Amino acid sequence: NAGVTQTPKFQVLKTGQSMTLQCAQDMNHNSMYWYRQDPGMGLRLIYYSASEGTTDKGEVPNGYNVSRLNKREFSLRLESAAPSQTSVYFCASSETGYGNTIYFGEGSWLTVV
Amino acid sequence: AQSVAQPEDQVNVAEGNPLTVKCTYSVSGNPYLFWYVQYPNRGLQFLLKYITGDNLVKGSYGFEAEFNKSQTSFHLKKPSALVSDSALYFCAVSASGGSYIPTFGRGTSLIVHP
Repeated sequence: NAGVTQTPKFQVLKTGQSMTLQCAQDMNHNSMYWYRQDPGMGLRLIYYSASEGTTDKGEVPNGYNVSRLNKREFSLRLESAAPSQTSVYFCASSETGYGNTIYFGEGSWLTVV
Repeated sequence: AQSVAQPEDQVNVAEGNPLTVKCTYSVSGNPYLFWYVQYPNRGLQFLLKYITGDNLVKGSYGFEAEFNKSQTSFHLKKPSALVSDSALYFCAVSASGGSYIPTFGRGTSLIVHP
């Protein structure tokens, strides 16, 4: 059971370059999420999708775009990477609604130089 | 608005001793509370959650947490710590009437000394 799978695991970008982080889940969940994790800041929600065809901004959406390609896949795009976007990115999924457990991917380590 | 606080950045405990990782929350409606663990270079793993019912919730790896409504707390506990419990622990909360998406705390690093 793969759960939530995200790629790539590691990436180094130059300032101004673009890239897309891919995420897929095999649990038939309606909700999917992208978080970033920075030291001392905990987890911050970038974007989420409550169902196929919908996306909404989270706490820190600036500099990012997302696409909910289908029920399984939710991608995160950095159009023009900045050093402030150096972080660990986590994709996650859950059933939509209160009290549902969120399941996380293994993370993508992104460095922007 | 919903918020959660983990007042300790780091908790140190000797192997075999009981451990407590603290979490307090602030919500307007009925809370839904979660604990997650993150091992180095890994994603977050679900430990346990409180939805309703018994205030003492038992979870994975021998962990438990007690929901205390009057103190708005949901502390994580384990009777006897293992070195392998050393990790980063996150508390999260959502609440009826607000967003269903949990808000995460900043995390507490648990270090268990041999």
